[in-house]
Amino acid sequence: SYVLTQPPSVSVAPGQTARIACGGNNIGSKSVHWYQQKPGQAPVLVVYDDSDRPSGIPERFSGSNSENTATLTISRVEAGDEADYHCQVWDSSSDPPYVFGTGTKVTVL
Amino acid sequence: QVQLVQSGAEVKKPGASVKVSCKASGYTFTDYYLHWMQQAPGQGLEWMGWINPKSGSPHYAQRFHGRVTLTRDTSISTAYMELSRLRSDDTAVYYCATAACGGDCPIDHWGQGTLVTVSS
Repeated sequence: SYVLTQPPSVSVAPGQTARIACGGNNIGSKSVHWYQQKPGQAPVLVVYDDSDRPSGIPERFSGSNSENTATLTISRVEAGDEADYHCQVWDSSSDPPYVFGTGTKVTVL
Repeated sequence: QVQLVQSGAEVKKPGASVKVSCKASGYTFTDYYLHWMQQAPGQGLEWMGWINPKSGSPHYAQRFHGRVTLTRDTSISTAYMELSRLRSDDTAVYYCATAACGGDCPIDHWGQGTLVTVSS
């Protein structure tokens, strides 16, 4: 099965930039989606298809994807950005075909 | 706006079954696939399966195959996830969520989650 690896945690000061990596074999050939999950809440889609944002998601959230790493970037980090972030891809040869990353806890210092 | 409202928390004994509902509103129920995910305490998300509300056809992850059943009632825009032969490691929050397809589409709207606790 396809595996997505994320760092367990990232710490960032308010106003700075957080970068969250999502590693996978040739992930650059897949579409990567990112979900934000605050404590006790359901996930929210923040970036889809590598770098697109759903309506209502601030421009501070952006994404990129190349070779073996996809990255979610949060610019001008705010306290309200503190959450778990999950990457996800669809891999037709895996079971399950919807593969989620291990999740990264973003802490705002 | 799209809303998915799930049924309330459940406590079940090992070996029992649980059925979680997911009522959709704000869109045409048959236009979007409904996916189900499991999140064990302190863990990541795991995809369990989807149902095509138009046809009623389900697709299951192998790990849950034989224990999970996805159904829907189009007359009340509600989908159901039933998990049988419950074990302690099925203790988790279960989410329903929409996606435009059953393939390479983002999962874009999520229900609030339903906590299922399996304990003797």
